[in-house]
Amino acid sequence: EPEVTQTPSHQVTQMGQEVILRCVPISNHLYFYWYRQILGQKVEFLVSFYNNEISEKSEIFDDQFSVERPDGSNFTLKIRSTKLEDSAMYFCASAGGYEQYFGPGTRLTVT
Amino acid sequence: GNSVTQMEGPVTLSEEAFLTINCTYTATGYPSLFWYVQYPGEGLQLLLKATKADDKGSNKGFEATYRKETTSFHLEKGSVQVSDSAVYFCALSRNNNAGNMLTFGGGTRLMVKP
Repeated sequence: EPEVTQTPSHQVTQMGQEVILRCVPISNHLYFYWYRQILGQKVEFLVSFYNNEISEKSEIFDDQFSVERPDGSNFTLKIRSTKLEDSAMYFCASAGGYEQYFGPGTRLTVT
Repeated sequence: GNSVTQMEGPVTLSEEAFLTINCTYTATGYPSLFWYVQYPGEGLQLLLKATKADDKGSNKGFEATYRKETTSFHLEKGSVQVSDSAVYFCALSRNNNAGNMLTFGGGTRLMVKP
């Protein structure tokens, strides 16, 4: 069964550094998403992406964040200058219709 | 804006007990409703869904009915197993069109003891 994959599973970085989180969506899906979950809190929507552009983004997704689909298979989330409060589990999801399929997540720890 | 509220956990049950996890929502229009499950060390998996009022979603013995009059989508299972131990998330999207964001509840941890 096709699945969404994410790398790395755990990323530790220092405050102020740039990080790139990578996702490989299900191959025939057209809609891509990033969500995050700070420990003990809700899963929160960050951004959705369709037809090579952002279709919707939340207040969390400020200028420090960007997304890219650099080739036909990868979907990346970049945080330019990480803050302590960016520490969270980041989930990628993809969809062919309205059902979203999630990856296992990348745990980002900012020290 | 849209929001989802679900009962706080953890919920601890013995095997074969009846499970209810409450979920209520606030939304305009006709949202679609979902339950996702997260097993330890894994991502979120879609458990069941309902796209209109009075629809019943079901999967793996779990059921939830879309109740517009009470704005609820409570998750139920008649007889839980140890393998059902996980975190359960209620979620909604604005409608059943593709591309909409999901709004999640806070998650409810279920622990089933043998």
